[in-house]
Amino acid sequence: GDQVEQSPSALSLHEGTGSALRCNFTTTMRAVQWFRKNSRGSLINLFYLASGTKENGRLKSAFDSKERYSTLHIRDAQLEDSGTYFCAARNNNNAPRFGAGTKLSVKP
Amino acid sequence: GPKVLQIPSHQIIDMGQMVTLNCDPVSNHLYFYWYKQILGQQMEFLVNFYNGKVMEKSKLFKDQFSVERPDGSYFTLKIQPTALEDSAVYFCASSWGQNERLFFGHGTKLSVL
Repeated sequence: GDQVEQSPSALSLHEGTGSALRCNFTTTMRAVQWFRKNSRGSLINLFYLASGTKENGRLKSAFDSKERYSTLHIRDAQLEDSGTYFCAARNNNNAPRFGAGTKLSVKP
Repeated sequence: GPKVLQIPSHQIIDMGQMVTLNCDPVSNHLYFYWYKQILGQQMEFLVNFYNGKVMEKSKLFKDQFSVERPDGSYFTLKIQPTALEDSAVYFCASSWGQNERLFFGHGTKLSVL
Protein backbone atom coordinates (compact mmCIF):
# COMPACT_ATOMS: atom_id res chain seq x y z
CA GLY A 1 0.00 0.00 0.00
CA ASP A 2 1.71 3.15 1.15
CA GLN A 3 5.18 1.58 0.88
CA VAL A 4 4.96 1.69 -2.91
CA GLU A 5 4.21 4.94 -4.74
CA GLN A 6 3.54 4.48 -8.43
CA SER A 7 3.44 7.22 -11.05
CA PRO A 8 1.90 8.44 -13.21
CA SER A 9 -1.58 7.17 -12.40
CA ALA A 10 -2.55 7.48 -16.07
CA LEU A 11 -0.58 7.82 -19.29
CA SER A 12 -1.61 8.31 -22.89
CA LEU A 13 0.80 7.51 -25.72
CA HIS A 14 0.58 7.55 -29.48
CA GLU A 15 1.64 4.43 -31.30
CA GLY A 16 5.38 4.35 -31.86
CA THR A 17 6.28 6.61 -28.95
CA GLY A 18 7.63 5.65 -25.55
CA SER A 19 7.68 6.62 -21.93
CA ALA A 20 8.62 5.47 -18.45
CA LEU A 21 6.62 4.34 -15.46
CA ARG A 22 8.08 4.65 -12.01
CA CYS A 23 7.69 3.17 -8.55
CA ASN A 24 9.25 4.83 -5.54
CA PHE A 25 9.60 2.94 -2.29
CA THR A 26 9.45 4.36 1.21
CA THR A 27 11.74 1.61 2.49
CA THR A 28 14.50 -0.60 1.14
CA MET A 29 13.05 -3.33 -1.03
CA ARG A 30 14.75 -6.59 -1.97
CA ALA A 31 12.98 -7.24 -5.23
CA VAL A 32 10.36 -5.81 -7.54
CA GLN A 33 7.96 -7.41 -9.95
CA TRP A 34 6.14 -5.67 -12.82
CA PHE A 35 2.79 -6.80 -14.19
CA ARG A 36 0.32 -5.75 -16.85
CA LYS A 37 -3.35 -6.32 -16.22
CA ASN A 38 -5.08 -7.01 -19.50
CA SER A 39 -8.66 -6.26 -20.51
CA ARG A 40 -9.83 -9.54 -18.97
CA GLY A 41 -8.31 -8.68 -15.62
CA SER A 42 -5.44 -11.17 -15.79
CA LEU A 43 -2.07 -10.18 -14.33
CA ILE A 44 0.66 -10.83 -16.86
CA ASN A 45 4.20 -11.22 -15.50
CA LEU A 46 6.57 -8.78 -17.16
CA PHE A 47 9.73 -8.64 -15.04
CA TYR A 48 11.16 -9.80 -11.75
CA LEU A 49 14.29 -8.00 -10.57
CA ALA A 50 16.42 -8.24 -7.46
CA SER A 51 18.86 -5.68 -8.92
CA GLY A 52 20.03 -4.08 -12.15
CA THR A 53 18.11 -4.04 -15.39
CA LYS A 54 16.26 -6.47 -17.62
CA GLU A 55 15.00 -6.08 -21.13
CA ASN A 56 12.38 -7.97 -23.08
CA GLY A 57 11.48 -6.73 -26.52
CA ARG A 58 10.17 -3.18 -26.26
CA LEU A 59 10.12 -3.24 -22.48
CA LYS A 60 13.00 -2.54 -20.13
CA SER A 61 12.99 -2.42 -16.36
CA ALA A 62 15.46 -1.21 -13.79
CA PHE A 63 15.59 -1.59 -10.03
CA ASP A 64 17.79 0.34 -7.62
CA SER A 65 17.31 -0.92 -4.08
CA LYS A 66 19.62 1.67 -2.53
CA GLU A 67 17.90 4.60 -4.25
CA ARG A 68 14.50 3.01 -3.60
CA TYR A 69 12.94 3.03 -7.04
CA SER A 70 12.14 0.94 -10.06
CA THR A 71 11.24 1.96 -13.59
CA LEU A 72 9.52 0.35 -16.54
CA HIS A 73 10.35 1.82 -19.94
CA ILE A 74 8.15 1.21 -22.94
CA ARG A 75 9.41 2.06 -26.42
CA ASP A 76 7.61 1.95 -29.77
CA ALA A 77 4.28 1.56 -28.01
CA GLN A 78 1.64 -0.58 -29.74
CA LEU A 79 -2.13 -0.64 -29.29
CA GLU A 80 -1.94 -3.99 -27.50
CA ASP A 81 0.28 -2.45 -24.81
CA SER A 82 -2.79 -0.69 -23.41
CA GLY A 83 -3.73 -1.80 -19.93
CA THR A 84 -2.90 -1.12 -16.32
CA TYR A 85 0.67 -1.68 -15.21
CA PHE A 86 1.54 -2.54 -11.64
CA CYS A 87 4.73 -2.84 -9.70
CA ALA A 88 4.88 -4.97 -6.57
CA ALA A 89 7.87 -4.91 -4.24
CA ARG A 90 8.95 -6.88 -1.21
CA ASN A 91 11.24 -6.06 1.69
CA ASN A 92 13.03 -8.76 3.66
CA ASN A 93 10.82 -11.82 3.77
CA ASN A 94 7.45 -10.09 3.53
CA ALA A 95 4.95 -10.64 0.77
CA PRO A 96 5.02 -8.12 -2.09
CA ARG A 97 3.02 -4.89 -1.80
CA PHE A 98 1.48 -3.33 -4.87
CA GLY A 99 1.55 0.17 -6.26
CA ALA A 100 -1.72 1.80 -7.28
CA GLY A 101 -1.08 1.14 -10.97
CA THR A 102 -0.57 3.18 -14.13
CA LYS A 103 -3.37 3.06 -16.68
CA LEU A 104 -1.75 3.20 -20.10
CA SER A 105 -3.74 4.08 -23.20
CA VAL A 106 -2.03 3.71 -26.56
CA LYS A 107 -3.76 5.54 -29.37
CA PRO A 108 -3.34 5.33 -33.14
CA GLY B 1 3.94 -20.24 -18.54
CA PRO B 2 2.95 -21.60 -15.13
CA LYS B 3 -0.73 -21.12 -14.35
CA VAL B 4 -2.67 -20.53 -11.19
CA LEU B 5 -6.34 -21.46 -11.50
CA GLN B 6 -9.11 -19.91 -9.45
CA ILE B 7 -12.54 -21.38 -9.02
CA PRO B 8 -15.17 -20.00 -9.39
CA SER B 9 -14.58 -16.85 -11.44
CA HIS B 10 -17.61 -15.20 -9.89
CA GLN B 11 -19.52 -15.95 -6.71
CA ILE B 12 -22.66 -14.25 -5.46
CA ILE B 13 -23.81 -14.82 -1.90
CA ASP B 14 -26.00 -13.28 0.74
CA MET B 15 -24.45 -11.37 3.61
CA GLY B 16 -23.83 -13.62 6.60
CA GLN B 17 -23.31 -16.76 4.56
CA MET B 18 -20.03 -18.64 4.38
CA VAL B 19 -17.99 -18.67 1.19
CA THR B 20 -14.91 -20.61 0.16
CA LEU B 21 -12.70 -19.38 -2.66
CA ASN B 22 -10.56 -22.05 -4.29
CA CYS B 23 -7.11 -21.73 -5.79
CA ASP B 24 -5.12 -24.36 -7.65
CA PRO B 25 -1.53 -23.08 -7.44
CA VAL B 26 1.39 -23.92 -9.70
CA SER B 27 2.23 -27.56 -8.99
CA ASN B 28 5.68 -27.29 -7.44
CA HIS B 29 5.15 -24.00 -5.65
CA LEU B 30 5.39 -23.85 -1.89
CA TYR B 31 4.24 -20.33 -0.97
CA PHE B 32 0.67 -19.15 -1.40
CA TYR B 33 -0.92 -15.75 -1.20
CA TRP B 34 -4.28 -14.02 -1.27
CA TYR B 35 -4.79 -10.44 -2.34
CA LYS B 36 -7.99 -8.38 -2.37
CA GLN B 37 -8.95 -5.66 -4.82
CA ILE B 38 -12.08 -3.61 -4.30
CA LEU B 39 -13.39 -2.10 -7.54
CA GLY B 40 -11.38 0.97 -8.46
CA GLN B 41 -8.96 0.56 -5.59
CA GLN B 42 -5.50 -0.80 -5.04
CA MET B 43 -4.49 -4.46 -4.85
CA GLU B 44 -4.12 -5.16 -1.13
CA PHE B 45 -2.20 -8.02 0.49
CA LEU B 46 -4.22 -10.30 2.74
CA VAL B 47 -2.20 -13.35 3.73
CA ASN B 48 0.85 -15.47 2.97
CA PHE B 49 0.81 -19.23 3.68
CA TYR B 50 3.61 -21.80 3.78
CA ASN B 51 4.02 -25.30 5.12
CA GLY B 52 0.54 -25.34 6.57
CA LYS B 53 0.90 -22.06 8.42
CA VAL B 54 0.07 -18.40 8.01
CA MET B 55 3.42 -16.64 7.59
CA GLU B 56 2.19 -13.08 7.37
CA LYS B 57 -1.19 -11.38 7.36
CA SER B 58 -2.38 -7.82 6.99
CA LYS B 59 -4.97 -5.93 9.01
CA LEU B 60 -7.46 -6.72 6.24
CA PHE B 61 -7.26 -10.41 7.15
CA LYS B 62 -10.10 -10.29 9.64
CA ASP B 63 -10.98 -12.94 12.21
CA GLN B 64 -13.73 -14.11 9.86
CA PHE B 65 -11.07 -15.13 7.31
CA SER B 66 -9.18 -18.40 7.30
CA VAL B 67 -6.89 -20.18 4.87
CA GLU B 68 -5.80 -23.76 4.45
CA ARG B 69 -4.42 -26.23 1.94
CA PRO B 70 -5.40 -29.68 3.12
CA ASP B 71 -3.19 -32.47 1.72
CA GLY B 72 -1.84 -30.50 -1.20
CA SER B 73 -5.24 -29.87 -2.72
CA TYR B 74 -6.75 -26.43 -3.32
CA PHE B 75 -5.45 -23.47 -1.36
CA THR B 76 -8.63 -21.96 0.03
CA LEU B 77 -9.80 -18.70 1.51
CA LYS B 78 -12.86 -19.06 3.69
CA ILE B 79 -14.93 -16.14 4.89
CA GLN B 80 -17.45 -16.89 7.63
CA PRO B 81 -19.63 -14.92 8.00
CA THR B 82 -19.40 -12.63 5.00
CA ALA B 83 -20.06 -8.88 5.17
CA LEU B 84 -20.96 -6.36 2.49
CA GLU B 85 -17.44 -4.92 2.55
CA ASP B 86 -16.04 -8.29 1.55
CA SER B 87 -17.26 -7.67 -1.99
CA ALA B 88 -14.13 -7.52 -4.12
CA VAL B 89 -12.00 -9.49 -6.54
CA TYR B 90 -9.77 -11.93 -4.69
CA PHE B 91 -6.52 -12.91 -6.36
CA CYS B 92 -4.57 -16.01 -5.46
CA ALA B 93 -0.84 -16.25 -6.15
CA SER B 94 1.90 -18.77 -5.62
CA SER B 95 5.68 -18.82 -5.71
CA TRP B 96 8.31 -21.51 -5.53
CA GLY B 97 10.39 -19.76 -2.88
CA GLN B 98 9.89 -17.01 -0.35
CA ASN B 99 11.79 -14.50 -2.46
CA GLU B 100 10.79 -15.73 -5.89
CA ARG B 101 8.40 -14.18 -8.36
CA LEU B 102 4.68 -14.59 -7.85
CA PHE B 103 2.29 -16.06 -10.38
CA PHE B 104 -1.30 -14.89 -10.15
CA GLY B 105 -4.65 -16.42 -10.95
CA HIS B 106 -7.35 -14.53 -12.84
CA GLY B 107 -9.23 -13.69 -9.67
CA THR B 108 -12.59 -14.57 -8.16
CA LYS B 109 -15.14 -11.78 -8.09
CA LEU B 110 -17.10 -12.04 -4.83
CA SER B 111 -20.39 -10.18 -4.62
CA VAL B 112 -21.97 -10.06 -1.16
CA LEU B 113 -25.59 -8.94 -1.26
